[in-house]
Amino acid sequence: DIVMTQSPDSLAVSLGERATITCKSSQSILFSSNNKNYLAWYQQNPGQPPKLLIYWASTRESGVPDRFSGSGSGTDFTLTISSLQAEDVAVYYCQQYYSGYSFGQGTKLEIK
Amino acid sequence: EVQLVESGGGLVQPGGSLRLSCAASGFTVGSNYMSWVRQAPGKGLEWVSIIYSGGNTYFADSVKGRFTISRDISKNTLYLQMNSLRAEDTAVYYCARNRGNWDPLDYWGRGTLVAVSS
Repeated sequence: DIVMTQSPDSLAVSLGERATITCKSSQSILFSSNNKNYLAWYQQNPGQPPKLLIYWASTRESGVPDRFSGSGSGTDFTLTISSLQAEDVAVYYCQQYYSGYSFGQGTKLEIK
Repeated sequence: EVQLVESGGGLVQPGGSLRLSCAASGFTVGSNYMSWVRQAPGKGLEWVSIIYSGGNTYFADSVKGRFTISRDISKNTLYLQMNSLRAEDTAVYYCARNRGNWDPLDYWGRGTLVAVSS
């Protein structure tokens, strides 16, 4: 099974500043035949279901603000929020879909 | 507009059974891969089960042999039958639509809470 590990577990960032969350997979989730990384990011606000933000490691879902970006390849990935807004306070999860599904443990993002 | 609405959760004793439903609108359940994902109180997300558009089903090891997934195309509804429930099955259960095959989950319901306790 592929284990996904996020860091940090929690993060406090000032409004307007950059927030960076990392996700590491226990094995490569890059499929060589199509050169795609099978990695998604979700945002979960309190009391709400998760919302898909990014897939294929760097493709934003329709309607997601462009301050959200994803990067990385192989086993190491990053979610970046370029300028934190109050509505971005949430828990963020990475997910691999290369072999079954598995999620990271989540990163709680708060305002400093 | 795509919508997913779960129901059927509640309090059940260890060893008991429960059937969750997920009513879909805005798309056809039978034409999509569909998943169940759960979240224990204060914890992270755990994938539970998937049903292919062709009907194949797969389960997490933690529920294999105890849970079954099915759908009723005429009702456009997904189900999760949960048997031999354990305390560790306590969670909010979400149904979600797969974007395609084993792809990201692009639409989620609001979830239904299952509590297993004596």
